[in-house]
Amino acid sequence: DTGVSQNPRHKITKRGQNVTFRCDPISEHNRLYWYRQTLGQGPEFLTYFQNEAQLEKSRLLSDRFSAERPKGSFSTLEIQRTEQGDSAMYLCASSLYRGSADTQYFGPGTRLTVL
Amino acid sequence: AQSVTQLGSHVSVSEGALVLLRCNYSSSVPPYLFWYVQYPNQGLQLLLKYTSAATLVKGINGFEAEFKKSETSFHLTKPSAHMSDAAEYFCAVSDASSASKIIFGSGTRLSIRP
Repeated sequence: DTGVSQNPRHKITKRGQNVTFRCDPISEHNRLYWYRQTLGQGPEFLTYFQNEAQLEKSRLLSDRFSAERPKGSFSTLEIQRTEQGDSAMYLCASSLYRGSADTQYFGPGTRLTVL
Repeated sequence: AQSVTQLGSHVSVSEGALVLLRCNYSSSVPPYLFWYVQYPNQGLQLLLKYTSAATLVKGINGFEAEFKKSETSFHLTKPSAHMSDAAEYFCAVSDASSASKIIFGSGTRLSIRP
């Protein structure tokens, strides 16, 4: 069990550029979650997958955001035409869901700074 | 809709003193409740969780929390604070029926005075 990993750990980009983050969950975990955390706030739910299927998306996830988990393993989160308001820590979590009370294990996050 | 309110964005205690971090929740369905800790530049680590079994939940690092339905509270306590406990603590709730997304509070930063 190597834990949830996220790459890159830091990303600095200019407004209007596209960025993509990757999350590798704990092996065998069937659920994968994305959250966004801004300074001084708790994480906010963005979306989650069960295997390949994206089961829920938050209203926070505008049309510029897209997430995929093509083979039910790693996931990518892409932000198109970044805005300064997208600057935040993007957290990924995974869990083994067996019907109830799954525990979500979080990665270290990707810190995005949009200039 | 579910929500969590953490009372006090910053709590400071002396080393060896009692730690009490307050959390109240709102949920129209039976909730699961969590406390997570976040150290600087690190991800969230689960301290403990309540899933409708025992109302007093023991977690890692000597922390525990008590679910009080009548008060809609889930306060976190530790009898004796250590310097290493300095971190950000988040209370969170999820829907027990779907056990999916977690709704987090805004966090309480715990400082420990020598």
